[in-house]
Amino acid sequence: EAGVVQSPRYKIIEKKQPVAFWCNPISGHNTLYWYLQNLGQGPELLIRYENEEAVDDSQLPKDRFSAERLKGVDSTLKIQPAELGDSAVYLCASSGQGYEQYFGPGTRLTVT
Amino acid sequence: QQQVKQSPQSLIVQKGGISIINCAYENTAFDYFPWYQQFPGKGPALLIAIRPDVSEKKEGRFTISFNKSAKQFSLHIMDSQPGDSATYFCAARVGNFNKFYFGSGTKLNVKP
Repeated sequence: EAGVVQSPRYKIIEKKQPVAFWCNPISGHNTLYWYLQNLGQGPELLIRYENEEAVDDSQLPKDRFSAERLKGVDSTLKIQPAELGDSAVYLCASSGQGYEQYFGPGTRLTVT
Repeated sequence: QQQVKQSPQSLIVQKGGISIINCAYENTAFDYFPWYQQFPGKGPALLIAIRPDVSEKKEGRFTISFNKSAKQFSLHIMDSQPGDSATYFCAARVGNFNKFYFGSGTKLNVKP
């Protein structure tokens, strides 16, 4: 069974430019998470979806970040415009009926 | 405020030794406590997890010890191997909200 797929793996952009990350969760997993991981830190939740519904986006900086999960399967996280402080790894995770979360490899964003 | 406090930040252990990583929490709504292992350039991978109604769980060389009254749990890696060198994160889940909080991570280096 394929794991959580994320693309791109790496992205370098100049500040003020837009950027988008894509995630395809494990087949059948209804819950999808986007996390931010700064260097040397643990993941921090940005947004959680249950199927198509964003049920927890309290930590998402809505002035510049947006996310969508159309049809309750894959998801896109967008930043517009990017700032230097957005440089980090963006992780996607999914979970099914159990408690276990499965993470993708992440997208490493560098804003110059 | 850090919901899950993890220590130490880094750990050096000789091959064959025991690695011990500790975590503490305050929120009694947490109902599931996983540990993740993360290698450079990879997403966190679930290693072992425990529910609060159990005081210990062992899987191979990895053991979680859980002290509900003290609100502490720890990961023990027996017979540590150089291949165990990675960053380890503890986490805790708020059951009603299916929301995970992560510790700040412990970078383990197992010397040959």
